Amino acid sequence: DIQMTQSPSSLSASVGDRVTITCRASQGISNYVAWYQQKPGKVPKLLMYAASTLQSGVPSRFSGSGSGTDFTLTISSLQPEDVATYFCQKYNSAPLTFGGGTKVEI
Amino acid sequence: QVQLVQSGAEVKGPGASVKVSCKASGYTFTKYYIHWVRQAPGHGPEWMGVINPSGTTATYAQKFQGRVTMTRDASTSTVYMELSGLRSEDTAVYYCARDRIAYCAGDCPLDYWGQGTLVTVSS
Repeated sequence: DIQMTQSPSSLSASVGDRVTITCRASQGISNYVAWYQQKPGKVPKLLMYAASTLQSGVPSRFSGSGSGTDFTLTISSLQPEDVATYFCQKYNSAPLTFGGGTKVEI
Repeated sequence: QVQLVQSGAEVKGPGASVKVSCKASGYTFTKYYIHWVRQAPGHGPEWMGVINPSGTTATYAQKFQGRVTMTRDASTSTVYMELSGLRSEDTAVYYCARDRIAYCAGDCPLDYWGQGTLVTVSS
């Protein structure tokens, strides 16, 4: 099975900072990567799919890039409401594996 | 609006089985695959499997093969996930979630999620 490795596992940044999270697939998966945001005690929320397509209603400060094995999620200007754990997921075929998560704090 | 409403929390003993339901509304039930994802305390999500719109085919993660069964009832727009042989490591919040696109064959990101069902396995 293809593994998804996220880094860092946690980070602390200031309001207004640019934040970048990385996800690496153990094999090439084209652009079949989604990113989810999960706030404490809440359900995961789809942020991005096809590596770089923003889900409807998601603020434009979120962006994604990558193809093949290396992917990034960027928050251009971190806001207090962005405190959450972020997960990548590959969905080209079963199993739809998730990364281990990146906890973002301010 | 699209909603997935799951059954309530369960407490089970080791070796028992649990059946969690997920009732869909706000969209055409028979057009979308439904996935099950679990999340143990302090851990990331773990994909368990997916069932097709007609309920005729389910694909399970190898880890759960032989212990999990996913079914669906079109008459009530409800999907079920049954996990048997429960052990303490199965303590987790279990979510159902929908493919983002109709007829996506289960290879899609997940746009709507149920509220989660906490299953606690304890003697």
